[in-house]
Amino acid sequence: GEDVEQSLFLSVREGDSSVINCTYTDSSSTYLYWYKQEPGAGLQLLTYIFSNMDMKQDQRLTVLLNKKDKHLSLRIADTQTGDSAIYFCAEMGDTGRRALTFGSGTRLQVQP
Amino acid sequence: DVKVTQSSRYLVKRTGEKVFLECVQDMDHENMFWYRQDPGLGLRLIYFSYDVKMKEKGDIPEGYSVSREKKERFSLILESASTNQTSMYLCASSFRENQPQHFGDGTRLSIL
Repeated sequence: GEDVEQSLFLSVREGDSSVINCTYTDSSSTYLYWYKQEPGAGLQLLTYIFSNMDMKQDQRLTVLLNKKDKHLSLRIADTQTGDSAIYFCAEMGDTGRRALTFGSGTRLQVQP
Repeated sequence: DVKVTQSSRYLVKRTGEKVFLECVQDMDHENMFWYRQDPGLGLRLIYFSYDVKMKEKGDIPEGYSVSREKKERFSLILESASTNQTSMYLCASSFRENQPQHFGDGTRLSIL
């Protein structure tokens, strides 16, 4: 079945850029998503990209998609302590399955 | 803003009890989903529904059932709770296929 992989942990200093990476196996992926989860909370949709795009920018967030390598990244510019959270990559294929396949999440720690 | 409301943030039940988790969305979304989240495993799909009275099994449906009698409400039922069902349960909804999913705050369920 489909698989989505992420590194488990990333630590950066406040003000630096953070780059969270994700790889996926489903070549039929149509949409790829980034969600943020703060402690004790549900998932908050950050941004998403359609598979025919290679980049999307939204304020401090930049999503890069390399469809050939099935690699997705989320760049957070000027990272703040409030960005500390778990970030999930998720993909949806075009197989008729309406649910998302999630990675196991990357914990971002921002040090002051 | 989309609002997905889960009836309880924390719930403690005993082994063998029948447990109901409720989820309501206020945006007339077609699709609703139940996931469980466990450390290191990301989110795994239990069941989803794409219309009233319609349901489809996800990746881990064993020990669970669902009910969707009204479009805005999707219930997850643990027929006879077991300790391995202790987890965080997340409900989500989306307007149509391929549209972003919006999540509730989650229910942390402990089975003693």
